[in-house]
Amino acid sequence: DTGVSQDPRHKITKRGQNVTFRCDPISEHNRLYWYRQTLGQGPEFLTYFQNEAQLEKSRLLSDRFSAERPKGSFSTLEIQRTEQGDSAMYLCASSVRGSSYNSPLHFGNGTRLTVT
Amino acid sequence: AQKITQTQPGMFVQEKEAVTLDCTYDTSDPSYGLFWYKQPSSGEMIFLIYQGSYDQQNATEGRYSLNFQKARKSANLVISASQLGDSAMYFCGQNTGNQFYFGTGTSLTVIP
Repeated sequence: DTGVSQDPRHKITKRGQNVTFRCDPISEHNRLYWYRQTLGQGPEFLTYFQNEAQLEKSRLLSDRFSAERPKGSFSTLEIQRTEQGDSAMYLCASSVRGSSYNSPLHFGNGTRLTVT
Repeated sequence: AQKITQTQPGMFVQEKEAVTLDCTYDTSDPSYGLFWYKQPSSGEMIFLIYQGSYDQQNATEGRYSLNFQKARKSANLVISASQLGDSAMYFCGQNTGNQFYFGTGTSLTVIP
């Protein structure tokens, strides 16, 4: 168990550019979540996958955001035409196979995005 | 809509004393789990303790215990014998099997 891995750890980009983040969950976990966290706030739910299926997206997620999880393994989160308001920590988490309400999330260390 | 409420933005506790961090939740699902996470300044989210909606007894994990009052929809975290290393942000989360939401957090500072 190598834990949830996120890449890159830090990303600085100019407004209007596209960025893509990667998350590798714990290998036997079938659920994968993306959250956004700004300073002093709790993790804000963005979307989650069960295997390769994207089951839910937050209404807060604009159409500039897209996430994929091909083959139910790693996931990518892409932000198109970045804005300064997108600056935040992007957290990925996974939970065990057959997860239900009693499964904790295991978090990666996050990708910190700064849009200048 | 916010489903988890943490009303204490910041708390202070003397080293070796106990502290209670409040959490209330709102769901119509009969099956759910309540979780507490610790986030130190380094940023990682560390799972602390879990309470299931059908559990009859309050959960305990070492110095952490969860005061679960189902009728009041509250799931307060109690940290006993506080240590300096307990200084961090603490987040309450709720998992209904389909959604996993967090509160806005409580910043705990342990005073020597």
